[in-house]
Amino acid sequence: QSALTQPASVSGSPGQSITISCTGSNSDVGGYNYVSWYQQHPGKAPKLMIYEVSNRPSGVPDRFSGSKSGTTASLTISGLRAEDEAEYSCTSYTSSTLVVFGGGTKLTVL
Amino acid sequence: QVQLVQSGPEVKKPGASVKVSCRASGYPFSSYGITWVRQAPGQGLAWMGWITPYNGNTRYAQNVQGRVTMTTDTSTSTVYMELRSLRSDDTAVFYCARTRTFDSSGYYPSHFDYWGQGTLVTVSS
Repeated sequence: QSALTQPASVSGSPGQSITISCTGSNSDVGGYNYVSWYQQHPGKAPKLMIYEVSNRPSGVPDRFSGSKSGTTASLTISGLRAEDEAEYSCTSYTSSTLVVFGGGTKLTVL
Repeated sequence: QVQLVQSGPEVKKPGASVKVSCRASGYPFSSYGITWVRQAPGQGLAWMGWITPYNGNTRYAQNVQGRVTMTTDTSTSTVYMELRSLRSDDTAVFYCARTRTFDSSGYYPSHFDYWGQGTLVTVSS
């Protein structure tokens, strides 16, 4: 099972919006609405930010939103803040191996 | 509050085995599965497998199948992950994570809502 494809890095200035893509196939992202996104600061455990494509857990700011079109899911962060600088990873349910992760995207806040 | 507390760092020689623990608290232990995820230095997250205490089922990733065993001890609300025949490329941080499912029977993982702090396993001769 190949990993989901994410850009290696994205960047934005404070206050701007950025979008991170997560591309899979019809066996995972395109076939199911079970995509989730995780934020990970260096040396820390991942934190759930979005689940089931577009749902935010309690406590996650509404600046974070998720969507999906076809086989590509997206995480959008609006009103970028310095503390948003982190690694972001997507994951999806997959019919073949149950779970597949993306390779991760490093977000730099300029 | 929900907490997952993992055992401490380990240093092992190639060919040895390691057993990492993940003690859960703050929720009904048998009601949720636990997934194990590993992260090699400078690399992304990788799913290793999961165990569901409510029915004892396990499912492992193909690349560790045959070398990994996940077990539970319901008396202590602890999940264990044992990895055998360690190689240098097994050096990684291993995380446990509480797993939410999208079906009522609990067979299909949806997302991971709480994570342990991670356990560094170093494999070196």
